[in-house]
Amino acid sequence: AQSVTQLDSQVPVFEEAPVELRCNYSSSVSVYLFWYVQYPNQGLQLLLKYLSGSTLVESINGFEAEFNKSQTSFHLRKPSVHISDTAEYFCAVSERSGGGADGLTFGKGTHLIIQP
Amino acid sequence: EAGVAQSPRYKIIEKRQSVAFWCNPISGHATLYWYQQILGQGPKLLIQFQNNGVVDDSQLPKDRFSAERLKGVDSTLKIQPAKLEDSAVYLCASSFRDAPGETQYFGPGTRLLVL
Repeated sequence: AQSVTQLDSQVPVFEEAPVELRCNYSSSVSVYLFWYVQYPNQGLQLLLKYLSGSTLVESINGFEAEFNKSQTSFHLRKPSVHISDTAEYFCAVSERSGGGADGLTFGKGTHLIIQP
Repeated sequence: EAGVAQSPRYKIIEKRQSVAFWCNPISGHATLYWYQQILGQGPKLLIQFQNNGVVDDSQLPKDRFSAERLKGVDSTLKIQPAKLEDSAVYLCASSFRDAPGETQYFGPGTRLLVL
């Protein structure tokens, strides 16, 4: 079984400032790692994911996350945030199994609040 | 490409009543998931289908919840009878391939309030 911990339920940041949203996971097997975002009044959508290869993955809108196996972390960062980044961010994992697709285990989410 | 469709968007019922939610996944997507998201928490997987077969229903409260995916396309999730603690957003998601790490695409959800 896996678990995901997002320690910060809310992160207020000034516009154009950097931000880091923390995610730690626990699992007895290897996992794939995901960040999903939920903008106000919209459904969950994938921001980025780590499957293999380079431990640093990037999204098209300037976010990046780094997989750290020794610290079992997958923190999300952006060097300069915009008002439009205001949303709920969820970290999730799924088992790296040899079989088919697996359901996701989500953290509780972090509400990113951008202040002008 | 149309996204995952869900209906109704909102539902209010009294405890002990029954309710059903409908999901239409993205065309061609083989895998379908139902998640429950209680306020202040992340989504929790209830059931996963591969085509019309159940892959994982280990977290589905089977005494009151049931789900089916006839013909491997649309799916229905039912609660009978509902309890106060079932108040949540019910999310449907689908993915194209039955492969580890595949991206899941989520619908807008059905918000259920049990009074």
